[in-house]
Amino acid sequence: TQLLEQSPQFLSIQEGENLTVYCNSSSVFSSLQWYRQEPGEGPVLLVTVVTGGEVKKLKRLTFQFGDARKDSSLHITAAQPGDTGLYLCAGEGGKLIFGQGTELSVKP
Amino acid sequence: EAGVVQSPRYKIIEKKQPVAFWCNPISGHNTLYWYLQNLGQGPELLIRYENEEAVDDSQLPKDRFSAERLKGVDSTLKIQPAELGDSAVYLCASSSSPGTGATGELFFGEGSRLTVL
Repeated sequence: TQLLEQSPQFLSIQEGENLTVYCNSSSVFSSLQWYRQEPGEGPVLLVTVVTGGEVKKLKRLTFQFGDARKDSSLHITAAQPGDTGLYLCAGEGGKLIFGQGTELSVKP
Repeated sequence: EAGVVQSPRYKIIEKKQPVAFWCNPISGHNTLYWYLQNLGQGPELLIRYENEEAVDDSQLPKDRFSAERLKGVDSTLKIQPAELGDSAVYLCASSSSPGTGATGELFFGEGSRLTVL
C-alpha cells in the first residue's frame, strides 16, 4: 500500500517567517502534486513536479521533488496570512494518493 | 466556465436515515471521483469513474454506499443507512485524461458536509 506522510501536521507561525512542509514515502511516484485547501472549499492545484530533483517556484513558494521521486518539500518564504490553509501533497502511482495534510496558520 | 458543482452543501440527518449527494463535473471531463475527507485530513478516494464505468471502487463500503454515473456526466453518491462515523465532507472531483495514463490535475467541488446525529 502506498502511503504519503506529511510533516508537520500543524504549523502556526507569524507573518514574515519562513517554513518548510515535507511529504515522504517509501514508494516511488511518477509525479507529485501539491494542493492548497481553504476552509469550506475544495483543494486547488498549486503545482505538479515530474522529474527527480525538479524545483519549481510559484512566487514565494518553492517546490522540490526528491531525486528518487519518493519525497517532496514545499518551502514558503516570508509567509503571509493569505497563505493560511491546508496543504496537501498527492503522489501519482497508478492512482493519486493524498497525504494527510499540513494545517498552516499564519498570524498577522 | 463553471467548475464542479455539488449539492447539497450541508446535510444533517439522524443515523440510519438515507442521504444522497449530487455532482456535476466540468463539461468534457470524462473522469469523475468521489472522495471522503475528515476534518483536517487528506481526501480518501471512494470511487473513480471513467465515463460511466466505475474503474476503481475498491475503497467504497459497498454494504451501505452506492454510486452511479448514468450517461457518463453527473453522478450521485448514496449512503443507506447512514452511521455516526459517516460524518465528513464528501468531495467530488473531475479531470480530463491527459492520454498518458497519468491522473492529471483534479478539479474539486466545494464539497457536501454531512453530519449524522
